[in-house]
Amino acid sequence: EAGVAQSPRYKIIEKRQSVAFWCNPISGHATLYWYQQILGQGPKLLIQFQNNGVVDDSQLPKDRFSAERLKGVDSTLKIQPAKLEDSAVYLCASSSFLVEGSSSYEQYFGPGTRLTVT
Amino acid sequence: AQSVAQPEDQVNVAEGNPLTVKCTYSVSGNPYLFWYVQYPNRGLQFLLKYITGDNLVKGSYGFEAEFNKSQTSFHLKKPSALVSDSALYFCAVRRNTGGFKTIFGAGTRLFVKA
Repeated sequence: EAGVAQSPRYKIIEKRQSVAFWCNPISGHATLYWYQQILGQGPKLLIQFQNNGVVDDSQLPKDRFSAERLKGVDSTLKIQPAKLEDSAVYLCASSSFLVEGSSSYEQYFGPGTRLTVT
Repeated sequence: AQSVAQPEDQVNVAEGNPLTVKCTYSVSGNPYLFWYVQYPNRGLQFLLKYITGDNLVKGSYGFEAEFNKSQTSFHLKKPSALVSDSALYFCAVRRNTGGFKTIFGAGTRLFVKA
């Protein structure tokens, strides 16, 4: 089974520039997550999709971050404009359909995109 | 509100000795609990989970964890550590009803010395 794919793996941009990250989840996984992991911290959920609908985006800085999952499969996360404090690893994860009583609550993570904002 | 605490930034253990990585949590209602491992330059990998049932759960690579409801803890254990277990370990929690957000701890770096 193919894992979660992410690109690019590394990105260096200047502040105020824009950047986009792409994620392709495991085939058949309805739930997709974007996390921000700052060095020395645990992953922080930015946005969670169920199919192509947003379940939780309470911690997404909506003035600069946006995400979409138009066809309920792959997803893009965009930052515009970037700030120095956005330097982090952006992780994408997926899990199978999230219904209470389901046996599959664990998340499967991609390798991440390391963003450096200078 | 949900929260997870991993009180140790780093745990050092000699190869062959037992290891414990501590985790305590706070969540309203009953929790779903998880451990993930992160090797250098790789994404997080799922190790094990507690959903319901037996308080002792077994996972990948010989790891196990014990759910203790009264102490709100979910410590990760392994009877005999390997050098290859050296990695960053994250505990995570979510509620079993309502919102599905998973909260991760800050991580504990495990160093196993040969």
